[in-house]
Amino acid sequence: EAQVTQNPRYLITVTGKKLTVTCSQNMNHEYMSWYRQDPGLGLRQIYYSMNVEVTDKGDVPEGYKVSRKEKRNFPLILESPSPNQTSLYFCASARTGQGSATYGYTFGSGTRLTVV
Amino acid sequence: AQSVAQPEDQVNVAEGNPLTVKCTYSVSGNPYLFWYVQYPNRGLQFLLKYITGDNLVKGSYGFEAEFNKSQTSFHLKKPSALVSDSALYFCAVRDVRSYQKVTFGTGTKLQVIP
Repeated sequence: EAQVTQNPRYLITVTGKKLTVTCSQNMNHEYMSWYRQDPGLGLRQIYYSMNVEVTDKGDVPEGYKVSRKEKRNFPLILESPSPNQTSLYFCASARTGQGSATYGYTFGSGTRLTVV
Repeated sequence: AQSVAQPEDQVNVAEGNPLTVKCTYSVSGNPYLFWYVQYPNRGLQFLLKYITGDNLVKGSYGFEAEFNKSQTSFHLKKPSALVSDSALYFCAVRDVRSYQKVTFGTGTKLQVIP
């Protein structure tokens, strides 16, 4: 089954304790992206990647890091989490290139992060 | 810069009645437009898209959307609402010149009342 897999689904952590949220897709998509969803703010893009070793900042990158060493994986790293990073996080992937506009994003099921 | 506005935080509609969820957009060039749906505790699911051609596009679960270039709108519609349509709906836009950069609206909660 074509899918984007995020882990963990739920995470409670303490301020300052480094954490990683993993994201993996099995569709050979070039493009991957991280979003956070907050009430009243919709989805805001954190980072995105056009392909392996190519990443760029989205609209709200502060406090986050990403890497794209393999095409299928795009982990989100919080080096020193703070309470304002408590949110629902989504990973998404998509095809690029010719005809890519006809395809939407495929989203993971989300990771609910609480930083206390 | 591109942006999307969903002016209604919540839309309530009686089961069997037609529904409309509003969306307006702003892009520098021509738009690609999308609707996604999010059910509780789930990720977003792709519903439909407008790329080019016919202004009325049809998608999953009986939904359709009408692209209106002069009003820069892309409203989501369904002729007869079901209780199972209750969910959070997101409109999204991409400038055709931007390489996969998609901007989402803030979402509209649709409540279908039995």
